[in-house]
Amino acid sequence: KNEVEQSPQNLTAQEGEFITINCSYSVGISALHWLQQHPGGGIVSLFMLSSGKKKHGRLIATINIQEKHSSLHITASHPRDSAVYICAPFQGGSEKLVFGKGTKLTVNP
Amino acid sequence: DAGVIQSPRHEVTEMGQEVTLRCKPISGHNSLFWYRQTMMRGLELLIYFNNNVPIDDSGMPEDRFSAKMPNASFSTLKIQPSEPRDSAVYFCASSFNRGTGELFFGEGSRLTVL
Repeated sequence: KNEVEQSPQNLTAQEGEFITINCSYSVGISALHWLQQHPGGGIVSLFMLSSGKKKHGRLIATINIQEKHSSLHITASHPRDSAVYICAPFQGGSEKLVFGKGTKLTVNP
Repeated sequence: DAGVIQSPRHEVTEMGQEVTLRCKPISGHNSLFWYRQTMMRGLELLIYFNNNVPIDDSGMPEDRFSAKMPNASFSTLKIQPSEPRDSAVYFCASSFNRGTGELFFGEGSRLTVL
């Protein structure tokens, strides 16, 4: 069983739709990162959170430590949001990031 | 700040050759990570340094891989001898506080071993 499960693996949406990407993990963590990787390959850190919710522009990330679950939401999606979104919990014990396999999002105009 | 700088961006080499990838972390960051990304395995941690000291190299595939961080502003990842299965994108990332600080990634070095 993978330590990090993301769903869906692929997601296609129309511009303007509300997007939710889910991440479940089985390891004990002290923080969780959401990363964005564009088709060009570069990786950008969107959020690092250890509890509650964070918002940045149209992006919102939430985490429930007890349920070992995090979600990334995109409001009013736009074609430029098309990318792979990667959930990466940070294991406090081993001090390692564990990576999900990513969710490929395509937003059509 | 220029961000995390990696070189080369692309490298094509023949099996058996030595490959050296370089990374300059963001000034002031005390943690540096080397990751490898392939289609099959996704992102994997190879090694990370804290205050220039290797903390965990359990992700280094085998003895052909080695990494150094001689000072706070420079790190290398070396593969000797290289093999076709080493073909991947290698990312360097830095942060101020291991995994609980925001991570900044370099643009990656795409390695192709023929």
